[in-house]
Amino acid sequence: LAKTTQPISMDSYEGQEVNITCSHNNIATNDYITWYQQFPSQGPRFIIQGYKTKVTNEVASLFIPADRKSSTLSLPRVSLSDTAVYYCLVGEGNSGYSTLTFGKGTMLLVSP
Amino acid sequence: NAGVTQTPKFRILKIGQSMTLQCAQDMNHNYMYWYRQDPGMGLKLIYYSVGAGITDKGEVPNGYNVSRSTTEDFPLRLELAAPSQTSVYFCASRAGTPSQETQYFGPGTRLLVL
Repeated sequence: LAKTTQPISMDSYEGQEVNITCSHNNIATNDYITWYQQFPSQGPRFIIQGYKTKVTNEVASLFIPADRKSSTLSLPRVSLSDTAVYYCLVGEGNSGYSTLTFGKGTMLLVSP
Repeated sequence: NAGVTQTPKFRILKIGQSMTLQCAQDMNHNYMYWYRQDPGMGLKLIYYSVGAGITDKGEVPNGYNVSRSTTEDFPLRLELAAPSQTSVYFCASRAGTPSQETQYFGPGTRLLVL
């Protein structure tokens, strides 16, 4: 399983764009990159997933360079409610036996 | 659509007691998972199942057992509770197709072993 490295914490203010970068140097050819969000006392919630280049949905964007050894989750114009822990995971997207490894994640604190 | 449900929400156990954490999903997902999350830490995989009748160990299986008799249910059994098992337990499921790798998580069960 590919190991991921991401910052332990980040601070931001309301209205700013936040970019959280994740390193996954030993990502395999079949691995997808997935980001989850977790609020206190809740289970993680899927945010976005990608394989290469750029993916955008109504919540965030995910930028993946050509070598796929890192990825950046971009949250546009964060609000206080975006304060949460964000996990970057790498796993085999098309393997029936794939499991995902959660690290400690990045604690994002958004202030007024 | 209920998604993934877990019961109970909270439980206090004495050392040596046993209990079963219930998990059910109504999305007809083949794959189900049990994780534990200690304070300030990420999730650690305990057991997982790729379909009814098939289970496998994850990263931290000691002290736990699972069964998967139906697609919908994936109970986690603690036989002899220990203080080290104090944690929040999350159950998750996913469809299992390449385009649907997303895991859907339940609300969690908070367990305190005294």
